[in-house]
Amino acid sequence: DTGVSQNPRHKITKRGQNVTFRCDPISEHNRLYWYRQTLGQGPEFLTYFQNEAQLEKSRLLSDRFSAERPKGSFSTLEIQRTEQGDSAMYLCASSYLSRADTQYFGPGTRLTVL
Amino acid sequence: GDSVTQMEGPVTLSEEAFLTINCTYTATGYPSLFWYVQYPGEGLQLLLKATKADDKGSNKGFEATYRKETTSFHLEKGSVQVSDSAVYFCALSDENSNYQLIWGAGTKLIIKP
Repeated sequence: DTGVSQNPRHKITKRGQNVTFRCDPISEHNRLYWYRQTLGQGPEFLTYFQNEAQLEKSRLLSDRFSAERPKGSFSTLEIQRTEQGDSAMYLCASSYLSRADTQYFGPGTRLTVL
Repeated sequence: GDSVTQMEGPVTLSEEAFLTINCTYTATGYPSLFWYVQYPGEGLQLLLKATKADDKGSNKGFEATYRKETTSFHLEKGSVQVSDSAVYFCALSDENSNYQLIWGAGTKLIIKP
């Protein structure tokens, strides 16, 4: 069990560019969640997958955001046409379906949009 | 909808002092309650949890009891150390919302030697 990993750890981009983040969950975890955390705030839910199916997206999630989890393993989160307001820490978490209330978090990807 | 409210920080204490960080919640169902900790430059770590009323979660000297009557889950530690300096988040999850975590804003704890 190597834990949840996320890449890159830091990303600096210019406004209008597209960015993609990757999350590798704990192996055999069925569920994968994406959250966003801005400075001084608790995380907020973005979306989650059960195996390869994306089952829920937050109403806060702009159409510029898209996430995938092909084959139910790693997941990617893409942000198109980034805006300065997208600057945040993007967190990934995973859990077993049978113990869905206990999520394990990765270190996060810090995005800075200039 | 569900929500979590925790005391604002920063909370500054001397080493070996007693710690309480208050957390209250509102929920329509029967949530599980959590405390997560975030050390500087690191990711969120699950500190403790409780899944039903009157359960006590404990870990590393920290404790919290699920109080349904007061909708609270206050975090306590009898004697804090400098190494406990971090941001502490209270959170809940509920089957009705697919176990997505609902978070408080976090409380920064500073322990002075």
